[in-house]
Amino acid sequence: QVQLQESGPGLVKPSETLSLTCTVSGGSVSGDYWGWIRQPPGKGLEWIGYIYYSGTTSYNPSLKSRVSISVDPSNNQFSLKLPSVTATDTAVYFCARRRTNGGNYFDFWGQGILVTVSS
Amino acid sequence: EIVLTQSPGTLSLSPGERATLSCRASQSFAGTYLAWYQQKPGRAPRLLIYGASRRATGIPDRFSGSGSGTDFTLSISRLEAEDFAVYYCQHYGNSLFTFGPGTKVEIK
Repeated sequence: QVQLQESGPGLVKPSETLSLTCTVSGGSVSGDYWGWIRQPPGKGLEWIGYIYYSGTTSYNPSLKSRVSISVDPSNNQFSLKLPSVTATDTAVYFCARRRTNGGNYFDFWGQGILVTVSS
Repeated sequence: EIVLTQSPGTLSLSPGERATLSCRASQSFAGTYLAWYQQKPGRAPRLLIYGASRRATGIPDRFSGSGSGTDFTLSISRLEAEDFAVYYCQHYGNSLFTFGPGTKVEIK
């Protein structure tokens, strides 16, 4: 069974870059799509973007100018970078596998990592 | 960009009752592009339904999805204690994903 684990700093200063990595185990990043979703405290889910193992990406238009997702097949990881963060970027960040069989959805999720933007 | 509206915001029910959750879209789309998730406090979302009506692996058959066009429904036939949670619908189209605001199913 595929497992995902987010890693990265839990505290980022305003105007700095949020950088997270998702490590995939029990499967390979090759051949699949991988995504990031975030959830501000007490609020709903917001899709950030996804990447295909080949490098093709799609981003939420509201974040497109800032966000960058990359994939590293050699380490079975994919990563998120969000520069120039503000307090509104404080959220739990989830990585997930996107599937396209019979629909378009996220079937396996990481446990999530809380990132707080504060000085 | 499609906007999803979920109703009600909160549903207060007792164990054993039937729950009916609505997800309405601002534009019509094929059911293939609609999914439902369950989320409990402090946990990651769990895929329940994809393609509007297909249960994900390991999901009990008391969960069912239906609908087409702009109106989709998640039904839970008989609520069990573990079903009290927040439920989100999700749309995919034009390479973009959108989540609804969620419906909280709470114990009455």
